[in-house]
Amino acid sequence: EAGVAQSPRYKIIEKRQSVAFWCNPISGHATLYWYQQILGQGPKLLIQFQNNGVVDDSQLPKDRFSAERLKGVDSTLKIQPAKLEDSAVYLCASSLGRGLAGVGYEQYFGPGTRLTVT
Amino acid sequence: LAKTTQPISMDSYEGQEVNITCSHNNIATNDYITWYQQFPSQGPRFIIQGYKTKVTNEVASLFIPADRKSSTLSLPRVSLSDTAVYYCLVGDWAGGSYIPTFGRGTSLIVHP
Repeated sequence: EAGVAQSPRYKIIEKRQSVAFWCNPISGHATLYWYQQILGQGPKLLIQFQNNGVVDDSQLPKDRFSAERLKGVDSTLKIQPAKLEDSAVYLCASSLGRGLAGVGYEQYFGPGTRLTVT
Repeated sequence: LAKTTQPISMDSYEGQEVNITCSHNNIATNDYITWYQQFPSQGPRFIIQGYKTKVTNEVASLFIPADRKSSTLSLPRVSLSDTAVYYCLVGDWAGGSYIPTFGRGTSLIVHP
């Protein structure tokens, strides 16, 4: 089966510019996650969708970050305007669902988009 | 948020068994413990998941004591290709939502 697709793989922008990342999850996966992974750290959840609704965005810096999931399939994550500290790898993951207790479903990750803000 | 603690790094040699322990003192009653493997320039990949006692699959075993405040990932007979960062994952419940939380990970280096 096809995995989680992300594009672009690399992006270099100047601070204060905007950037958008795209994710196509595995077909049939209801839950989609966006993570930010700073070099040397574990992935940090930014936002979680269940179908096309937001389940949690408590760790999303909403003054500059936004995300949407169109028709419960593809998703885009946008940063506007970017700051130097946004340099990181942005990972998209999907899972079948959240389970009865929100657990028990393995997440499948895409290759990530490496963002460099100069 | 739920906090996990793992050793920052470990070294091993080919053919040895490697055990990586993760501490998660505040794990929720209904939460599972999941381990992921990550190679450079790739997203994490699921290894194994468990709730209690012992779970084994074709690549690893997971040991969880009765109090569930820690877990140990066991990799039998490692090879050079097992060199990677290993993360344990637990979660938090906030506002009715489950928030998966990764730790800082353990960088495993396997030597010839």
